[in-house]
Amino acid sequence: AQSVTQLDSHVSVSEGTPVLLRCNYSSSYSPSLFWYVQHPNKGLQLLLKYTSAATLVKGINGFEAEFKKSETSFHLTKPSAHMSDAAEYFCVVSGPYTGGFKTIFGAGTRLFVKA
Amino acid sequence: DTEVTQTPKHLVMGMTNKKSLKCEQHMGHRAMYWYKQKAKKPPELMFVYSYEKLSINESVPSRFSPECPNSSLLNLHLHALQPEDSALYLCASSQGSTARTDPDPRFKNIQYFGAGTRLSVL
Repeated sequence: AQSVTQLDSHVSVSEGTPVLLRCNYSSSYSPSLFWYVQHPNKGLQLLLKYTSAATLVKGINGFEAEFKKSETSFHLTKPSAHMSDAAEYFCVVSGPYTGGFKTIFGAGTRLFVKA
Repeated sequence: DTEVTQTPKHLVMGMTNKKSLKCEQHMGHRAMYWYKQKAKKPPELMFVYSYEKLSINESVPSRFSPECPNSSLLNLHLHALQPEDSALYLCASSQGSTARTDPDPRFKNIQYFGAGTRLSVL
C-alpha cells in the first residue's frame, strides 16, 4: 500500500528566506517520488523527481529535495524564496500495484511569500 | 518538448448539453490520463489509457466517457453533467504504460500535465 502525507496545509515565508515543504510517504516498494507546483488556474508543472538514483535531487527554479529512506521523507527546500514561488505544491508517490502503477497525490501545501 | 495541450481552456455548459474536452501530446508517450481537480484539492484520477486501451477507470460515472482515437489524442466526452461536476479537468501523459512488466518503469512513469480545462456546469 502507498500513501503520501504533506505535513503542512500552508506555509508562509518572507521573500529571501528559506523554504521547507514537508512530505512523508509510505510504500511497500521502492517508490518514485515527485514534487509538482501549480500556480493559480494553471496545470501542474514537474519540479523534480526521485527514481532511486542520487538521494539529493535538484529541480527547476532552485528547488531541491532529499530522499531519506530511514525517515520516509522527501522534503522540498529552496535557500531563498521569491515572490513567484507562491503557489500550491504537491508531493506525489508512484509505484507498482496490482495491474500496473498507482500515482498518489498529497493534499497539497500552499506556499505564501511575503514581500 | 514536454507539452500537453488541452482545449478548450474554459467551458460552460448546461446540464442537458453534450460537449467534449480534448488533450493532445506529441512526445510519443503511450500512457494518457484524465484527472478532476476541485478547488483547493489535489487532482483525482479518473481514467488511464495505456497503449490506447483503457486500463484504469476509477469508478467514474457514465456521464463521463473517455476516448483515445490514437496515441497522441485523448478526449473526454461529457453528457448530462451535474453542477457538482464543475472543476478543473487535467490531462497528463507519461512515456511508459502502466504495465507492471514495463522495463525500468520508474523513469517512464513521470507524468506531464496540460494546463487544464476549467468546466462550469450550470
